[in-house]
Amino acid sequence: NAGVTQTPKFQVLKTGQSMTLQCAQDMNHEYMSWYRQDPGMGLRLIHYSVGAGITDQGEVPNGYNVSRSTTEDFPLRLLSAAPSQTSVYFCASSSVTGGSSPLHFGNGTRLTVT
Amino acid sequence: AQSVAQPEDQVNVAEGNPLTVKCTYSVSGNPYLFWYVQYPNRGLQFLLKYITGDNLVKGSYGFEAEFNKSQTSFHLKKPSALVSDSALYFCAVRALVGADKLIFGTGTRLQVFP
Repeated sequence: NAGVTQTPKFQVLKTGQSMTLQCAQDMNHEYMSWYRQDPGMGLRLIHYSVGAGITDQGEVPNGYNVSRSTTEDFPLRLLSAAPSQTSVYFCASSSVTGGSSPLHFGNGTRLTVT
Repeated sequence: AQSVAQPEDQVNVAEGNPLTVKCTYSVSGNPYLFWYVQYPNRGLQFLLKYITGDNLVKGSYGFEAEFNKSQTSFHLKKPSALVSDSALYFCAVRALVGADKLIFGTGTRLQVFP
């Protein structure tokens, strides 16, 4: 089982460029989410989805877009990258929205914006 | 709104000694509580969770956590620390009702010395 797969592992962007961080899971999980991890800030929720066609904002959604056209995929788009978006990004999924199901995490994408 | 506090940035303990990593939470109603561990350059891994019932929860790798409703705490413990336990530990909370979001604390780095 691959679990949650994130690509790329590393990315360097210039300010103003756009890119998409890919996330795919093969566990048929309904719930998917994106977090960013910054030193001293822990993990902060960017966007999440409770099923195909349904997305919602988390704690820090500005500057990011998401869509959920299939159960498996949940890409995160940066429309115009800014240095403040330099971070490590994690995608996570769980079998049930809410509740006691633990999240399964990918290994992260390290993004640097210069 | 949900929130989690991990008051210690770092905890140092000698191998073989007991360890405690502290976590307090704020949530409307009853909570689901989780502990995750992160090793370098990896995503988070689920350790244990509290749903309801017994206040002492046992999890992976010999870790346990004690839920205290009156103190709104969920401290992570292990009777005898190993050097291999050295990692970053995150506490997280989700409300039982009406909450799709899992909110994380800022993390505590555990360093176990030989």
